[in-house]
Amino acid sequence: GQNIDQPTEMTATEGAIVQINCTYQTSGFNGLFWYQQHAGEAPTFLSYNVLDGLEEKGRFSSFLSRSKGYSYLLLKELQMKDSASYLCAVVDSNYQLIWGAGTKLIIKP
Amino acid sequence: IAGITQAPTSQILAAGRRMTLRCTQDMRHNAMYWYRQDLGLGLRLIHYSNTAGTTGKGEVPDGYSVSRANTDDFPLTLASAVPSQTSVYFCASSDAGQGANEQFFGPGTRLTVL
Repeated sequence: GQNIDQPTEMTATEGAIVQINCTYQTSGFNGLFWYQQHAGEAPTFLSYNVLDGLEEKGRFSSFLSRSKGYSYLLLKELQMKDSASYLCAVVDSNYQLIWGAGTKLIIKP
Repeated sequence: IAGITQAPTSQILAAGRRMTLRCTQDMRHNAMYWYRQDLGLGLRLIHYSNTAGTTGKGEVPDGYSVSRANTDDFPLTLASAVPSQTSVYFCASSDAGQGANEQFFGPGTRLTVL
């Protein structure tokens, strides 16, 4: 079967750095997305990785290792507004999007 | 520019009733999707449409139907609602079919079936 694993919940301090991991076992791989979802709102796009390595976009970076079936989202200089759920989603060999359950990130002052 | 709109925002429905959730996008995207989101589970695809006039079944299609008469609209119908269909429903769209294309989501419809 296809599976995406993310921690259910993480807590971090304002101003700090946090890394949210995502591991996947899917039938093939055609890319990996990260989305942010604030409570009661719709998911919004953060990043897309299809090649190995680190993609940096402001305070957010996303890393991919296809050989390890692993990705992480790195958030720097955490702000209170970063409190949200972070969803990992993988595009499989049939170009279907498989979603993880999401990681709820709690930022404390 | 509205992006994607959904209606209603929320609804309480008696079991056995018929209900249509509406979704409209103004981005001229070819592909549209319906997901349900339940606590502790990832987004699950109900139905999708890669282009106007075509639809396909997702991971959890039973009890739901869709139509895609034009590019902008993608309504989701529950023919006879059951309590297990209580969920938050998100409509989304993308420029092309599923795959390496960013999806844009509507604000969601919170549905409670009693």
